[in-house]
Amino acid sequence: DAGVIQSPRHEVTEMGQEVTLRCKPISGHNSLFWYRQTMMRGLELLIYFNNNVPIDDSGMPEDRFSAKMPNASFSTLKIQPSEPRDSAVYFCASSLNPGVYQPQHFGDGTRLSIL
Amino acid sequence: DAKTTQPPSMDCAEGRAANLPCNHSTISGNEYVYWYRQIHSQGPQYIIHGLKNNETNEMASLIITEDRKSSTLILPHATLRDTAVYYCIASNSGGSNYKLTFGKGTLLTVNP
Repeated sequence: DAGVIQSPRHEVTEMGQEVTLRCKPISGHNSLFWYRQTMMRGLELLIYFNNNVPIDDSGMPEDRFSAKMPNASFSTLKIQPSEPRDSAVYFCASSLNPGVYQPQHFGDGTRLSIL
Repeated sequence: DAKTTQPPSMDCAEGRAANLPCNHSTISGNEYVYWYRQIHSQGPQYIIHGLKNNETNEMASLIITEDRKSSTLILPHATLRDTAVYYCIASNSGGSNYKLTFGKGTLLTVNP
């Protein structure tokens, strides 16, 4: 079975450029999560969608970050304009949410470097 | 989420059991204990979770003390591929629960 698919795996861009990270969740999963991981702050939840609707975006750092989920099989995380402090590994995860805890399945992440 | 405390690192010999401890002395009655691991350059991977009773699956066993203030994750026969950072998380679980607060975890190194 295909897991969570993220693209690109690596992104290097200059400060001020727009960055778009993409995620395809596991088919049938209706919860989607975006995380960011840095050495200093560890793994942090940025935003959570349920049935394509953003439920909690309290972890989004600032207005430069935005996330969308136009359908059940695709989500994007956009940074505009990007800054060097946005450099991190960004993970997408998905899970079932049928009322009983279901584990979150993570993709392999996008390693983002802002120069 | 209740705070969890884990040793920063542990070593284990290949083929032996790896026992990873976690302290969660402030855990509340409706909080589960979850374990994830993260192998280098990969996303976190779910291992197991439990509330009160001990749990076992194809990957590991979870032993939770009777007072629920601590737990141990057991990998019965560790292999080199089990080298990873292991995260213990105490969190409420319910229909809308989703927040997993990852701490620094324990770096388990399995040695040949």
